[in-house]
Amino acid sequence: GQNIDQPTEMTATEGAIVQINCTYQTSGFNGLFWYQQHAGEAPTFLSYNVLDGLEEKGRFSSFLSRSKGYSYLLLKELQMKDSASYLCASMDSNYQLIWGAGTKLIIKP
Amino acid sequence: TAGITQAPTSQILAAGRSMTLRCTQDMRHNAMYWYRQDLGLGLRLIHYSNTAGTTGKGEVPDGYSVSRANTDDFPLTLASAVPSQTSVYFCASSDGDLSTDTQYFGPGTRLTVL
Repeated sequence: GQNIDQPTEMTATEGAIVQINCTYQTSGFNGLFWYQQHAGEAPTFLSYNVLDGLEEKGRFSSFLSRSKGYSYLLLKELQMKDSASYLCASMDSNYQLIWGAGTKLIIKP
Repeated sequence: TAGITQAPTSQILAAGRSMTLRCTQDMRHNAMYWYRQDLGLGLRLIHYSNTAGTTGKGEVPDGYSVSRANTDDFPLTLASAVPSQTSVYFCASSDGDLSTDTQYFGPGTRLTVL
């Protein structure tokens, strides 16, 4: 079956660094996406990885290991506005996204 | 640019009634999608359309139908609503370039079926 696993909730301190992990098992693989979703709002695109390695985009970075079926999202210099849910999604062989349940990130002052 | 709009924002519906959730995009994207989002679960694909005139079933299509008469609009119809269809519904679109197919989401419709 197809499965995406990520922690349900994480807490971090303003100004710190946090890593949100995601493991995936999908029928085929055409890339790994991370989205941010603030409470009551729509998901918004953060990053896309299809090759192994780290992609850096400002304060956010995303890492992929295809052999391990593993990705992480790294958030640096945390700000209160980063409090949100972070959704991991794997694109399968049919180019459809299989979504994790999301990780709720709570930022404390 | 509006991007993707959805209507209504929220709705309370009596079980057994029918309803159409509207979705319109102005990005000229080829592909459009309908998802439902329930607490503790990931987004689940209901139906999709790769291009105007074609539709396909997603993971949870039962009780829902869609049409894609043109590029911009992708309505979702519940023929006879049941309480298990209480959810937040998101419409999304992408340009259909399969290699980097980023999906962009509408603001969602919160539906309660009583």
